[in-house]
Amino acid sequence: KAGVTQTPRYLIKTRGQQVTLSCSPISGHRSVSWYQQTPGQGLQFLFEYFSETQRNKGNFPGRFSGRQFSNSRSEMNVSTLELGDSALYLCASSLGMGGLAYNEQFFGPGTRLTVL
Amino acid sequence: GNSVTQMEGPVTLSEEAFLTINCTYTATGYPSLFWYVQYPGEGLQLLLKATKADDKGSNKGFEATYRKETTSFHLEKGSVQVSDSAVYFCALSDKNAGNMLTFGGGTRLMVKP
Repeated sequence: KAGVTQTPRYLIKTRGQQVTLSCSPISGHRSVSWYQQTPGQGLQFLFEYFSETQRNKGNFPGRFSGRQFSNSRSEMNVSTLELGDSALYLCASSLGMGGLAYNEQFFGPGTRLTVL
Repeated sequence: GNSVTQMEGPVTLSEEAFLTINCTYTATGYPSLFWYVQYPGEGLQLLLKATKADDKGSNKGFEATYRKETTSFHLEKGSVQVSDSAVYFCALSDKNAGNMLTFGGGTRLMVKP
């Protein structure tokens, strides 16, 4: 069974630009969560999508947004990039069943975004 | 809100040494607790988990016991190998927060031959 894939793996952008990252979950998984990993703030939850609906959201500004498609693939978008957005962005997929009960998550390798 | 605190690294050990990485948490209610491992250039892998007080999670020689009275979930291994070198993250999931994980800051383990 293929794991979680994220594209691209590396990205370099300049301040003020916008960026879109993609995540393809494990086949059959309906939930996709996104996390930001930085040396200073560690791993922080961005948002979770289930069946094309955002069902949970972390404490990030509105510049960070996401969506999920009918095939469960998800994208996240960051607009008006700032230097502090440089990070490893990880996505995780899970079955997502059982309402708000926790389902084991499987993480992708991440997209490393560098903002110059 | 919820939070996880784990010992800062790096932790440097010789092969076959005993490992302890401390983790304590603050949460409302009764969270599930996890240890994840991150190898260089890779995403996170679930190492072990415990879902209620006094549960012991174990995998690949690693163990951790959910201690509600001390709000702790320390990771232990009796004999580390060079291949265990990685960054270890303690995390919790609140029962009513879906798949949202709250992570500790991570502890880098370096094992020397």
